[in-house]
Amino acid sequence: AQSVTQPDIHITVSEGASLELRCNYSYGATPYLFWYVQSPGQGLQLLLKYFSGDTLVQGIKGFEAEFKRSQSSFNLRKPSVHWSDAAEYFCAVGAHSNDYKLSFGAGTTVTVRA
Amino acid sequence: GAVVSQHPSRVICKSGTSVKIECRSLDFQATTMFWYRQFPKKSLMLMATSNEGSKATYEQGVEKDKFLINHASLTLSTLTVTSAHPEDSSFYICSAPTNGAGGANVLTFGAGSRLTVL
Repeated sequence: AQSVTQPDIHITVSEGASLELRCNYSYGATPYLFWYVQSPGQGLQLLLKYFSGDTLVQGIKGFEAEFKRSQSSFNLRKPSVHWSDAAEYFCAVGAHSNDYKLSFGAGTTVTVRA
Repeated sequence: GAVVSQHPSRVICKSGTSVKIECRSLDFQATTMFWYRQFPKKSLMLMATSNEGSKATYEQGVEKDKFLINHASLTLSTLTVTSAHPEDSSFYICSAPTNGAGGANVLTFGAGSRLTVL
């Protein structure tokens, strides 16, 4: 079965600074990888996904993620954060493109300071 | 875009009572919906898969008699927490598959329902 580890529980970043959130997955075959964002009291919104092809994936809100098979990683990045990026971020992995039984990481809380 | 609506967003109930949470797909049909439970500072745990016109499929360790799921139509799934106890207090989230780019389905999530059992 697949699994996801998000090593950072909480990250604080200054507004305008760059952000990188780490995600490591465990899966024997080609994974299907997702990043979701959850604002307080809200459901999850899909930021981006990787199914195949270009390993650098662009998402919404200026986010991107890079799939590195050799490192079993799918780290999320944003060059310049905005105060509105303060939220909980979840990495998830599925076994195939229509696998809805995603395995989620424990999440990383991002705090943005002025 | 696709929207999944959950109601209520917050509910407080007394121990021993039952609580119903609704999940609706507003502008698309969903033959399948998923129910998750999220503990504080924890990831989402898939509880069950709700199937329109048939019984729900529960994940291992989830009590089907405690968490009743009904998929009454192509746009509505309900989760009923029966005889709720304080340990059932949690954030419950539903989701439904919607068509994404490349023909692959992605999940659209509801805003969640915060249940507090006193």
